[in-house]
Amino acid sequence: QQQVKQSPQSLIVQKGGISIINCAYENTAFDYFPWYQQFPGKGPALLIAIRPDVSEKKEGRFTISFNKSAKQFSLHIMDSQPGDSATYFCAASMSGATNKLIFGTGTLLAVQP
Amino acid sequence: DTAVSQTPKYLVTQMGNDKSIKCEQNLGHDTMYWYKQDSKKFLKIMFSYNNKELIINETVPNRFSPKSPDKAHLNLHINSLELGDSAVYFCASSPAGGNQPQHFGDGTRLSIL
Repeated sequence: QQQVKQSPQSLIVQKGGISIINCAYENTAFDYFPWYQQFPGKGPALLIAIRPDVSEKKEGRFTISFNKSAKQFSLHIMDSQPGDSATYFCAASMSGATNKLIFGTGTLLAVQP
Repeated sequence: DTAVSQTPKYLVTQMGNDKSIKCEQNLGHDTMYWYKQDSKKFLKIMFSYNNKELIINETVPNRFSPKSPDKAHLNLHINSLELGDSAVYFCASSPAGGNQPQHFGDGTRLSIL
């Protein structure tokens, strides 16, 4: 119940294309869903996050779509650029003092020029 | 300027040795974390401290002992290192409370020979 399942494991997209990464969760107590971006040799960095009271959140070229009934959420990267090539992690947590993040298994995105 | 800094960046040592990793944050956050990222890039929480008090202690061998001398520092000491401890260890920090964005350091790559 604490798992967050992420797919695909890896993704190759042409420059200018749309990258889509999907995540699914079981625990309905989760109420915060961030996405992190990690470049080689660096720590994960928060990209965008959503709470389940909205179905979509957009920040620049990055959009999270959230489907509460299906317990799924996805990251869409519009107009993908070579600089977006990185590993992307979805995560989930629930309200409470611990702020414990459960991470998905990661997606390695390669954007080809 | 670095928000969350870890030292050392690389640590190569023999099996059976004891080693420490240090972490400092200058963001004024109350909560700090240690994560382990394995060779498949899976990220898992190990420990979390809020204002020097342990609030998350996952199923981690007791050879791992975190220490928080003050809320800006969280160190990780590992006794009797084993081959399976080889991984990248990330420190992170966040404001107190649930569903807060976490800021990660750039990691310490630990290699056990």
